[in-house]
Amino acid sequence: GNSVTQMEGPVTLSEEAFLTINCTYTATGYPSLFWYVQYPGEGLQLLLKATKADDKGSNKGFEATYRKETTSFHLEKGSVQVSDSAVYFCALSHYGGATNKLIFGTGTLLAVQP
Amino acid sequence: DTGVSQDPRHKITKRGQNVTFRCDPISEHNRLYWYRQTLGQGPEFLTYFQNEAQLEKSRLLSDRFSAERPKGSFSTLEIQRTEQGDSAMYLCASSLAWTSYEQYFGPGTRLTVT
Repeated sequence: GNSVTQMEGPVTLSEEAFLTINCTYTATGYPSLFWYVQYPGEGLQLLLKATKADDKGSNKGFEATYRKETTSFHLEKGSVQVSDSAVYFCALSHYGGATNKLIFGTGTLLAVQP
Repeated sequence: DTGVSQDPRHKITKRGQNVTFRCDPISEHNRLYWYRQTLGQGPEFLTYFQNEAQLEKSRLLSDRFSAERPKGSFSTLEIQRTEQGDSAMYLCASSLAWTSYEQYFGPGTRLTVT
């Protein structure tokens, strides 16, 4: 079945450090891939998406590239800020399918220290 | 656009009681999803509506769970005879059918069963 695996946290970084959160997936066909972010006390927010192989999603300085050959969608940011502290979820869905339900990874807690 | 709202935000109930949660999607969104998130895990799909029709239910949705979306607007999720294992965050999301990879999440209802 379809599944998403992401690196366990917590990830603790100093401000301005480089961030990578690994995400790999297992899916039939050609899923769409997403990163969602959950700030403390808030709901999930879509951070970025990629809908086909080699697409790069980007938003707020975060980037992720849809790599079909390695079934990966790693999240990166060149210089993190304290305000980036949150839980990050990698997810997939089959756009155009019956439900487009999202399948999430377990989440990675990022803590950025000043 | 006020976003997706959920009510209540927190619910504490005793085992065996029934509870009902409400979700108000973004007004023009015709798709509505329910997910459940337990501590340390990513959200898991429960069920999905397109307009008023419930088109898919997860195996996670036991007979004690029922969801409705009368008139294709707000939705309710009822859990009968609650069990301690039902303790979780219940998330609602909505989307437009033709851009349904962009699901917008509400803040969730946290259920604690004592």
